[in-house]
Amino acid sequence: NAGVTQTPKFRILKIGQSMTLQCTQDMNHNYMYWYRQDPGMGLKLIYYSVGAGITDKGEVPNGYNVSRSTTEDFPLRLELAAPSQTSVYFCASGPTVSGANVLTFGAGSRLTVL
Amino acid sequence: AQKVTQAQTEISVVEKEDVTLDCVYETRDTTYYLFWYKQPPSGELVFLIRRNSFDEQNEISGRYSWNFQKSTSSFNFTITASQVVDSAVYFCALSAFSNSGYALNFGKGTSLLVTP
Repeated sequence: NAGVTQTPKFRILKIGQSMTLQCTQDMNHNYMYWYRQDPGMGLKLIYYSVGAGITDKGEVPNGYNVSRSTTEDFPLRLELAAPSQTSVYFCASGPTVSGANVLTFGAGSRLTVL
Repeated sequence: AQKVTQAQTEISVVEKEDVTLDCVYETRDTTYYLFWYKQPPSGELVFLIRRNSFDEQNEISGRYSWNFQKSTSSFNFTITASQVVDSAVYFCALSAFSNSGYALNFGKGTSLLVTP
């Protein structure tokens, strides 16, 4: 099983450029999440989705957009990249509506905005 | 509001020492789940343990053990006889109904360095 696949693994952007981080899971999980990890700050929730067509903001959504047209895919869009968006981004998925979910995480995407 | 505090930013020990990583949480939910994840230098997140709020039994898995105390809102993690391979960042996390879609709310992490 591939689990949660994120692409690209690394990317350098110039200020003002746009890009999409791709996230795909093959476990038929309903719940999907995007986190960002900054040094010494833990992981913060950007957006989440409880199923196809349903998304909602997390703790730090500004500067990002998401869509969920299928169960498998949950792309994260950066419209106008800023240096503050330099971070490592993790996508995760979970199977059920429960706090007991053990989330499956992707390997991460390291983004640098210069 | 949910909050997870890992007060220890960095810990350095010599191999074979025991080390305890502290985790204190805040939540108004009566049903919640606590987790520990390991992030080795390679960067992936590795699930270690999940504990629900109704189960205060301590757990031991090999050299790892966890102490959950609701009275002090703590979920501490002890590594016995540490090894160099234990060097990583360790995250404590909380999940509850009032979280966004049961998202994990992470602490800032404790960086553990085990030297030979």
